[in-house]
Amino acid sequence: SYVLTQPPSVSVAPGKTASITCGGNNIGSKSVHWYQQRPGQAPVVVMYYNNDRPSGIPERFSGSNSGNTATLTISRVEAGDEADYYCQVWHSDTDHRVFGGGTKLTVL
Amino acid sequence: QVQLRESGPGLVKASETLSLTCTVSGDFIGTYYWSWIRQPPGKELEWIGYVYYSGSTNYNPSLKSRVTMSVDVSKNQFSLKLSSVTAADTAVYYCARDCPPFAPYGVCYTGAFDIWGQGTLVTVSS
Repeated sequence: SYVLTQPPSVSVAPGKTASITCGGNNIGSKSVHWYQQRPGQAPVVVMYYNNDRPSGIPERFSGSNSGNTATLTISRVEAGDEADYYCQVWHSDTDHRVFGGGTKLTVL
Repeated sequence: QVQLRESGPGLVKASETLSLTCTVSGDFIGTYYWSWIRQPPGKELEWIGYVYYSGSTNYNPSLKSRVTMSVDVSKNQFSLKLSSVTAADTAVYYCARDCPPFAPYGVCYTGAFDIWGQGTLVTVSS
């Protein structure tokens, strides 16, 4: 089965830039979506198709995907960005969906 | 405004069948896939599978032998059954709207979950 690897945690100071990675075999050829999950809440999509932001998601959120790594970048991090972030891939051959293990973003 | 709401028992005995229903309001259950996703306490998300309004399904291979999903178009609901549950099935179960690859261009993003229910905790007791 396809495995997506995320760092368990990332810490960043307010106003700085956070990069959350998602590793997978040739992930650059796949569609990657990103979700934010605050404690006790359902996940919310923050990035589609590598770098398409849903309405309501700040421009501070951006994405990239190449080779074996996809990255969600959050610029000018705010306290409200503290949450768990999950990458997710769609497999076109099987129409299956797979999540990464999640990354806890801590704002120092 | 599309909303999803999960319902069902919060406690299931080991070896029995977990049954949940998701009610969709604000949208017709056609056009999209409807997925179930679960999250054990303190752990990551796991996609369980999806059902389409036609009744076609697709399941996570790791759970396929125990999962059955169905849809009731007349009630705008879809359901999950997970058999032979163990403590490892204790989790928050979410239903979510899922985008099929044949959706009209611009309607949604293939394979993405754009709307989620609030989730319901199901505990398996021994």
